[in-house]
Amino acid sequence: DTGVSQNPRHKITKRGQNVTFRCDPISEHNRLYWYRQTLGQGPEFLTYFQNEAQLEKSRLLSDRFSAERPKGSFSTLEIQRTEQGDSAMYLCASSDGTASGNTIYFGEGSWLTVV
Amino acid sequence: AQTVTQSQPEMSVQEAETVTLSCTYDTSESDYYLFWYKQPPSRQMILVIRQEAYKQQNATENRFSVNFQKAAKSFSLKISDSQLGDAAMYFCAYRSAYGGDTPLVFGKGTRLSVIA
Repeated sequence: DTGVSQNPRHKITKRGQNVTFRCDPISEHNRLYWYRQTLGQGPEFLTYFQNEAQLEKSRLLSDRFSAERPKGSFSTLEIQRTEQGDSAMYLCASSDGTASGNTIYFGEGSWLTVV
Repeated sequence: AQTVTQSQPEMSVQEAETVTLSCTYDTSESDYYLFWYKQPPSRQMILVIRQEAYKQQNATENRFSVNFQKAAKSFSLKISDSQLGDAAMYFCAYRSAYGGDTPLVFGKGTRLSVIA
């Protein structure tokens, strides 16, 4: 069990550029979540997948954001035409079931700075 | 919509002492789960303790325990015999038990410092 892995850990990009983050969940976890965390705030839900199906998207996920999970394994979160307001840490998490009490395991996050 | 409030942005505790972090939440649901997560600097968030709302007994995990007051919608975390490694951001989180798989709703966090 290697835990939830996220890459890159840090990304600095110029406004208007596209960025992509990758998340590798714990193997055999069928649920994968993306959260966004800004300084001084708790994580905010963005979207989640059950296997390869994207089941829910937050209103925080604007049209510039897209997430995929091909084959139900790793996931990517792409942000197009980045804006300074996109600067945040993007957290990925996974769990192994649908029960609300199941533990959700988080990765170390990917820091995005838009300059 | 559910909300989670952590009214203490920062707390400090002497090593080996006890500290209590506060959390209140707002919900109209009767069945749900509450969690405390710990986020050390530049490290991943890890689950500290979990409480099922239908259970009256307060959860405990070694030095960590909660005081769950359902009627008051309060869910505080007590850390006993504080250690330097307890220094971190602590987040209280709520999750509905309805709907199969609902996202966690987090508070803004409390930064805990442990003084040697």
